Formats: sequence, C-alpha cells, structure tokens
Amino acid sequence: SAVISQKPSRDICQRGTSLTIQCQVDSQVTMMFWYRQQPGQSLTLIATANQGSEATYESGFVIDKFPISRPNLTFSTLTVSNMSPEDSSIYLCSVRTGGTTEAFFGQGTRLTVV
Amino acid sequence: GENVEQHPSTLSVQEGDSAVIKCTYSDSASNYFPWYKQELGKGPQLIIDIRSNVGEKKDQRIAVTLNKTAKHFSLHITETQPEDSAVYFCAARSGGSYIPTFGRGTSLIVHP
Repeated sequence: SAVISQKPSRDICQRGTSLTIQCQVDSQVTMMFWYRQQPGQSLTLIATANQGSEATYESGFVIDKFPISRPNLTFSTLTVSNMSPEDSSIYLCSVRTGGTTEAFFGQGTRLTVV
Repeated sequence: GENVEQHPSTLSVQEGDSAVIKCTYSDSASNYFPWYKQELGKGPQLIIDIRSNVGEKKDQRIAVTLNKTAKHFSLHITETQPEDSAVYFCAARSGGSYIPTFGRGTSLIVHP
C-alpha cells in the first residue's frame, strides 16, 4: 500500500486568488492523479500527473486553470488558479503503484472559495 | 466511454440489518470493479474489489457479486454497524485503462 499526505487539508480562499495543493507519497509510484469531488457528487478526474512532462488533462479541464507539477516519483502539486465559488470542492490526490490495480487516495483538500 | 450508474443515492438501515448497493456499467470490456468507502473528512478507501473472472467475493461482513451478462455488480454488507456509516462508491475499469469510472456514491446511514 501507499501512504499519501495531502496539504492543506482544508482552506478558505478569496475569489481571484490561487491555491496550490501538495501530494506527498511515502514510496515511489508509477502513476499519480488529481480528482475533484464536488458536494454530493462523484469523483471526477482532472488530470494524470506525468513525471518530468506536462500533465494529461481530461475533457473540461485545462492547464491554465489547473497547472500540475510532478518533479519526481513521490510528489505532485495541483494549483487551482483564479478561483471562483464554483471551484469549491474536495480535491483528491490518487496514486497507483507498480504491479497493482488498486488506486490509493489522499485524505483530500476541502476548498471553499468566498 | 464507460458509464457507471449507482443506486440508491441514500440508504438508511437499522444496526444489524443488511445493506445492498447496486451498480451497472456500460462497457463490456470492463474487468475490474473496486468498491470504496469514504468517511467524513477522509479520502476514499478501497474495501473490496472483484475481477471479471469471479462471480462473488467475500471479506468478513462484506461481499461483492458480479453479473457480467447483465453488466451489474453489487455490494452487500451484513450485520451493519454504526461505523459502517459512510459514502460508498463503486467503480469499473477496463483492462486497457489505468483510470476507473466511478458511480455517484451511496450515503449509507446505520442507525444504532
């Protein structure tokens, strides 16, 4: 299994500002993902974080709004840029380790934009 | 792409009763079906999974069944306890993808 630490766990931000969320894993992982979970909704994949290259974004998500970094095999960041109240959600980091099919999740970052 | 439907959205039971959550999927190529439990303020945690070559899998009070022909799978929790209260997500993933498609979740409430 993998232990995932996500920071911050929650934040309240002013509209128009940006927030960077960090995801640290206790071991090297093959794949890292970022999800959004809007209130009462399911998990929506934002992007796959690629080590050493640009992230792969899902339909409806763009790099300018959600820039992602992954400098190594244990760490990634997601930035929510120019925030609006519609960005209020839980943001989740997820990883997949080599040789397993299981996906592990961090505890999430609860973001409120006011 | 894959589409996963999950029912019910809310399930309320008395402690000791059984709970059943049902999911259907659309992609016949899907072959891996995990179930996640998300407690308040926490991330989803895998509780059980099943692959397409198996029809049923049990782990203590939890069981999952899969009907490939009908493209549906279900989570069964017996002898429910208050600590089972959480949101449960089903998911489906095909062999050619690293990324599961999630259902919309079921909020299970177990009353003591």
